[in-house]
Amino acid sequence: QVKLVQSGAEVKSPGASVKVSCKASGYTFTTYNIGWVRQAPGRGPEWLGWISTKSGSTNYVQKLQGRVTMTTEASTSIAYMELRTLRSDDTAVYYCARLDRSGSSWPDWGQGTLVTVSS
Amino acid sequence: QSALTQPRSVSGSPGQSVTISCTGTSSDIGGYDYVSWYQQHPGKAPKLVIYDVIKRPSGVPDRFSGSKSGNTASLTISGLQAEDEADYYCCSYAGSYTWGFGGGTKLTVL
Repeated sequence: QVKLVQSGAEVKSPGASVKVSCKASGYTFTTYNIGWVRQAPGRGPEWLGWISTKSGSTNYVQKLQGRVTMTTEASTSIAYMELRTLRSDDTAVYYCARLDRSGSSWPDWGQGTLVTVSS
Repeated sequence: QSALTQPRSVSGSPGQSVTISCTGTSSDIGGYDYVSWYQQHPGKAPKLVIYDVIKRPSGVPDRFSGSKSGNTASLTISGLQAEDEADYYCCSYAGSYTWGFGGGTKLTVL
């Protein structure tokens, strides 16, 4: 079955960077695109961006342009999300999710990675 | 990118029906039939319960149904059960490879 397994929790200082990984299994990695979503404590999900696992094309939410980079490694079926110049309001659970073929919904999610930004 | 509007909370007794609304604009909900709904229990990842406005993934009970009118989508849960108590989020495609989520609705089963 489809599984998305993310890297473990991170604690970072303001101004640092974090890189979260998402290893996919149970399907051909390059046939489905990957998105990243975060959820701050007590808040709704926030879509962060999308990457084509075939071409590497990306699209990021406007507010994170310049601070976020999404990449994939097809040989290992891993997607990465790097966020730089971390601030306290970046504290959240970060999820990777598989986009369905039509691009309409996110049927499969990773377990989430808690990123805490604190001095 | 869009942020969709949901009521903060709804409640119902076991066996009753509840409907959760999700209001967007003509650039997201009104412009595409790509509305999905997610159920999230505390400490868990979101789980897809409705996609393409009205479709249910396999394994999701037919007590869950979706609809859309204009810029507003709705999720209806009939025959409420205790395990339906959770947070529910809507999501819509908003064009140009962007998506937006709602702020979430807490469903309480009384």
